[in-house]
Amino acid sequence: AQSVTQLGSHVSVSEGALVLLRCNYSSSVPPYLFWYVQYPNQGLQLLLKYTSAATLVKGINGFEAEFKKSETSFHLTKPSAHMSDAAEYFCAVSVRIQGAQKLVFGQGTRLTINP
Amino acid sequence: NAGVTQTPKFRILKIGQSMTLQCTQDMNHNYMYWYRQDPGMGLKLIYYSVGAGITDKGEVPNGYNVSRSTTEDFPLRLELAAPSQTSVYFCASRTPWGNRLSSDGYTFGSGTRLTVV
Repeated sequence: AQSVTQLGSHVSVSEGALVLLRCNYSSSVPPYLFWYVQYPNQGLQLLLKYTSAATLVKGINGFEAEFKKSETSFHLTKPSAHMSDAAEYFCAVSVRIQGAQKLVFGQGTRLTINP
Repeated sequence: NAGVTQTPKFRILKIGQSMTLQCTQDMNHNYMYWYRQDPGMGLKLIYYSVGAGITDKGEVPNGYNVSRSTTEDFPLRLELAAPSQTSVYFCASRTPWGNRLSSDGYTFGSGTRLTVV
């Protein structure tokens, strides 16, 4: 079965520190991978996506993620956290199940930024 | 373009009542999806559709029904609301991979927050 595991339901970092949000996936075929961000009481916004082109993917707001097939990982990083990065982050994989492409989500990681 | 539009944004239902959550997209996307979001659980797929007249169950379909009479609309129906259906519901759409407009993959609506009391 296709699945996504986000390690750590809550992550807290200081402003200016490195942000690292972990995501591992299981897929029997090359996946399409996504990171979404959700600000309080808002919908989902696409941060970045991997669609089998470059393994290092740059997204919006200074975030990037690296696809590592050998580790089945797609961790999200940002060199320097900003207060405005406080939100919930979802990793997702798009896979074909029963003939149709579907998006399978991890459980989410809530990022808190400390002043 | 408006993208994916969901109505209403908020709703409180009493146990046993019924309602329809509306979802409309203006991007001519074939695929549409309904997800529910519960704290600590991520988003779970309720139903999906690969085109007008074609729908299928997702991971958590019990208590819900859908229809897809047009490409634009994909309403989600709750017939007998239960407290377990208190959640935030998201509708999404996408165009098939390989289409020149598929660069962003999935487009999400802003959600409907439903409380059943």
